[in-house]
Amino acid sequence: GAGVSQSPSNKVTEKGKDVELRCDPISGHTALYWYRQSLGQGLEFLIYFQGNSAPDKSGLPSDRFSAERTGGSVSTLTIQRTQQEDSAVYLCASSLALETSQETQYFGPGTRLLVL
Amino acid sequence: EDQVTQSPEALRLQEGESSSLNCSYTVSGLRGLFWYRQDPGKGPEFLFTLYSAGEEKEKERLKATLTKKESFLHITAPKPEDSATYLCAVQSETSGSRLTFGEGTQLTVNP
Repeated sequence: GAGVSQSPSNKVTEKGKDVELRCDPISGHTALYWYRQSLGQGLEFLIYFQGNSAPDKSGLPSDRFSAERTGGSVSTLTIQRTQQEDSAVYLCASSLALETSQETQYFGPGTRLLVL
Repeated sequence: EDQVTQSPEALRLQEGESSSLNCSYTVSGLRGLFWYRQDPGKGPEFLFTLYSAGEEKEKERLKATLTKKESFLHITAPKPEDSATYLCAVQSETSGSRLTFGEGTQLTVNP
């Protein structure tokens, strides 16, 4: 079946502009995650959605970052007033979210964001 | 706070030259250790999940093992197509479902 999809694949924006990044999880997966991968660094957790529960926003680096998930499926990550340090690859992942939480996360191809 | 350290940062092998990648971790209550492969410009591709010390999993030329402090990814007789960055990540009792990643090992296999 189809994997996790993300759009756009690349985004170039000017400092101070707002951007929206989209993620379509694997059908039937109830958990959705956003991570950020900066050049030369490991993946950094941003936010986690599980069903109708309140999202875990503990990884968001500032209040300029927000995310929502509509209808338990598609998610949008919004970065307001972008800064050059926001340049990174933004990765989305989804999982079945079994009760044991030992679930495997499957990643999308990422959105490469460059802030000029 | 969960911590994951991978070594070496980079590894160059000749085709057919077997080796191992290391992932050392510090967590409070391991729930799972995950290995991913990442090719340039792509998202991480899932390889293995290990849940308890002593567990081993194999896939083609790759074998992952787990102890209470570290995991190894053994690559037997690698081919150039095995060239990629290999990422290790953990889930723990304290971190819930989020993954904590190491910085990866960049593997290059020369023909």
